[in-house]
Parts: sequence; structure tokens; C-alpha cells
Amino acid sequence: AQSVTQLGSHVSVSEGALVLLRCNYSSSVPPYLFWYVQYPNQGLQLLLKYTSAATLVKGINGFEAEFKKSETSFHLTKPSAHMSDAAEYFCAVGAGGSNYKLTFGKGTLLTVNP
Amino acid sequence: NAGVTQTPKFRVLKTGQSMTLLCAQDMNHEYMYWYRQDPGMGLRLIHYSVGEGTTAKGEVPDGYNVSRLKKQNFLLGLESAAPSQTSVYFCASGAGARGPHTGELFFGEGSRLTVL
Repeated sequence: AQSVTQLGSHVSVSEGALVLLRCNYSSSVPPYLFWYVQYPNQGLQLLLKYTSAATLVKGINGFEAEFKKSETSFHLTKPSAHMSDAAEYFCAVGAGGSNYKLTFGKGTLLTVNP
Repeated sequence: NAGVTQTPKFRVLKTGQSMTLLCAQDMNHEYMYWYRQDPGMGLRLIHYSVGEGTTAKGEVPDGYNVSRLKKQNFLLGLESAAPSQTSVYFCASGAGARGPHTGELFFGEGSRLTVL
């Protein structure tokens, strides 16, 4: 079975500061990993995904994530937060076999303070 | 670009009433999903479909039924609504090249359901 743990349900940063959102996964097979973002009253949209091609994945809006197999982590970072980054972020894992679905974490709400 | 369209966007029901949520996608995706989102719980999979005419249970299927008679549509039904089904429901579709778990999911804007 696969699972995702997002550390911290709420992260608050100042505008211009580093954003770090943590995600750890559990999977018995090589996983596909995703980060999605949800703005208020909207559906989720893909930020980036890891599919084994490269361990450092660049996404939209300046976000990137690094796959670390030894730590079973896929943390999301952005060097400098912008007010428009305020949203909820979800990490998700897909691990194949007969498991035709993604498993989502519980989400991390990012607040950006001026 | 329509993408994934959910109807209705808002609905208030009384306990015991029935209703159907409709999801339509225009991207010719094989895979479609229904999730519910509740505060602090993330997204939980209700039912999903890996192709026209097929459906399968997800994590929280009780009290819901689904149908996928046409490739572009995925219906979620509540036969007898309960207050515990008050939630925001999201439909998603995808077309992962190596299976449903491998590709991007495209989400609708959500349907907010309140059961009194």
C-alpha cells in the first residue's frame, strides 16, 4: 500500500522568504510523485511531477522538488515567496500495479505575509 | 477550453433525498475519478473508472454509486443523502501513458453539497 505524509498542515512565510513544504511517501515500488496546488474555491492543478527521469524536478511558478529515495521524500521548494503563492498544496503518490489511483496527502496551507 | 466541467456547483439537500452530480470531460481521457474534500482530510477517493463502462470503489465508496456509460461522462449518485456527505466533491480525469497513476489529473472546479 502507498501513503503520503505532509508535515505541517499550515506553513507561514514572509514575502521573499524561502518556501519549504515537506512530503514523505511510502511505496513498495518505484513511485510517481506529484505536487498539486489549490487556490481558494478552485480545483487542483498540477505544479510538477516526478517520473524517474531526473531527481530534481522543476515546475510552474518557480517551484521545484527533489526526489530523495534514501529519505523517501519529495519536498517542494521555492527560493522567494510571492503573495500569489498563498494556496493549499497537496503531495500525491502513484505506485502502479493494480492500484489505479493516486493517494493524496492531507495538504499544507501556505500563507504569505507582506 | 472546457476541460473538466462539474454540475451543479452548489446544492442543498435534505436528509434522505437523492441527487446526481455530473462530470464531463472533453479531453478524451480514459480515467475518471470522484473525490471528496473535507477540512483536514485532504482528498479521498470515492469511486473511479479506468474506461467506458467500468467503475471501481475507492477509499470511501459507501453511500455513493457511479456510472460511466459514455467515455466523456462520469456520474456520481447519492441515493439517500446523509449529513456526513456534506462536502466538496471534485471530479478529475487523466490519461497517464503508463497507467492511471502516472499522469497528470485535471480537476473540475468542485461541487459544494450541503445535506441538512
